[in-house]
Amino acid sequence: QKEVEQNSGPLSVPEGAIASLNCTYSDRGSQSFFWYRQYSGKSPELIMFIYSNGDKEDGRFTAQLNKASQYVSLLIRDSQPSDSATYLCAVLNSGYSTLTFGKGTMLLVSP
Amino acid sequence: GAVVSQHPSWVICKSGTSVKIECRSLDFQATTMFWYRQFPKQSLMLMATSNEGSKATYEQGVEKDKFLINHASLTLSTLTVTSAHPEDSSFYICSAAQGANNEQFFGPGTRLTVL
Repeated sequence: QKEVEQNSGPLSVPEGAIASLNCTYSDRGSQSFFWYRQYSGKSPELIMFIYSNGDKEDGRFTAQLNKASQYVSLLIRDSQPSDSATYLCAVLNSGYSTLTFGKGTMLLVSP
Repeated sequence: GAVVSQHPSWVICKSGTSVKIECRSLDFQATTMFWYRQFPKQSLMLMATSNEGSKATYEQGVEKDKFLINHASLTLSTLTVTSAHPEDSSFYICSAAQGANNEQFFGPGTRLTVL
């Protein structure tokens, strides 16, 4: 069974700090990885995706991928209280168009 | 771009009735849409993959006769919860895939409460 693991948190960081969110996955054949942000009571919104080993930067967000270790992370620089949400890691299942989601990590950014 | 809408945003119904939820891709065509369910404090669980012009593919444990999916056009998929019961109360979210990397964009969700 394909699994995506995330620490449920909450991860608490002060405003302006770097938040680091981690995710591991079991399907070694997976090629594409996504980070979504979900505010309480709302649907997920796509932050960014990554498919190559290494880092990918988009504004304050950096996704990191290490396929050998089956590990994906998301760094949020200069964290803001508005970043407080649950962050979902999703993995595109190899050979399919479906995503497997982790349970999400709750991030709390304090002013 | 990549806007997905859902209707209704919330619905309350009596046990035994059927509820239809619509999912539309507003600015792109989606040959594939997905239906998820999310219970409080839990992650998204994929219910089924909806394919335009063909039968939906249901995940293990999801009753296809209870959750009817119709993908009649490239911009519309519907989920009908038949004979709803209180345990079907949940947050139902659809998504549509776009792009070479199959990025999924989510609708705003439908909160269903069955009394």
